[in-house]
Amino acid sequence: DAKTTQPTSMDCAEGRAANLPCNHSTISGNEYVYWYRQIHSQGPQYIIHGLKNNETNEMASLIITEDRKSSTLILPHATLRDTAVYYCIVRVGRYGNKLVFGAGTILRVKS
Amino acid sequence: GAVVSQHPSWVICKSGTSVKIECRSLDFQATTMFWYRQFPKQSLMLMATSNEGSKATYEQGVEKDKFLINHASLTLSTLTVTSAHPEDSSFYICSAGTSGRDNEQFFGPGTRLTVL
Repeated sequence: DAKTTQPTSMDCAEGRAANLPCNHSTISGNEYVYWYRQIHSQGPQYIIHGLKNNETNEMASLIITEDRKSSTLILPHATLRDTAVYYCIVRVGRYGNKLVFGAGTILRVKS
Repeated sequence: GAVVSQHPSWVICKSGTSVKIECRSLDFQATTMFWYRQFPKQSLMLMATSNEGSKATYEQGVEKDKFLINHASLTLSTLTVTSAHPEDSSFYICSAGTSGRDNEQFFGPGTRLTVL
């Protein structure tokens, strides 16, 4: 699976949009981009995933560049409860494939 | 999303004893489940892939005789930490993959193991 690069940490004001970047320049054509987050002392929570089109759900939006070498997770109106470690993972979307976690981005939402 | 549960949520045991952790997929069947370990301030480290009806596949450096994995049904996988020692104290997390379009994985809430 392709590796990803994320900033170590980011701050965001409560109520503002949080934009979390991820670089995956070696991504293959059949690899998806997945985003998870982990709030302190909890299991990771699935957020969103995509292949090449932009995706949106009730939690977030995922913007994937046309060349698929990078993506941005957008939390439209960040709240204090969104403070967590956010993981961007690239993986072939085939059943049984494991997820390999990197260091992720620590997002701190501040009032 | 799909729900994965773990039991117990935390456990304290004496050094030398064995501890069993259960992972269940509550509303879907999972042929494959995964076990992770997470030390404080570190990321999740994959320990093994649990396959229903067959032996688990362990990641390099993980002792299969110490971390016994059983996947007896499509909704239950267990991890047994045998002869636990203080260095085994960690946060253990399981995940299960769905058979949907893109095979998303969902995680349990984790089990905090403390070995005295």
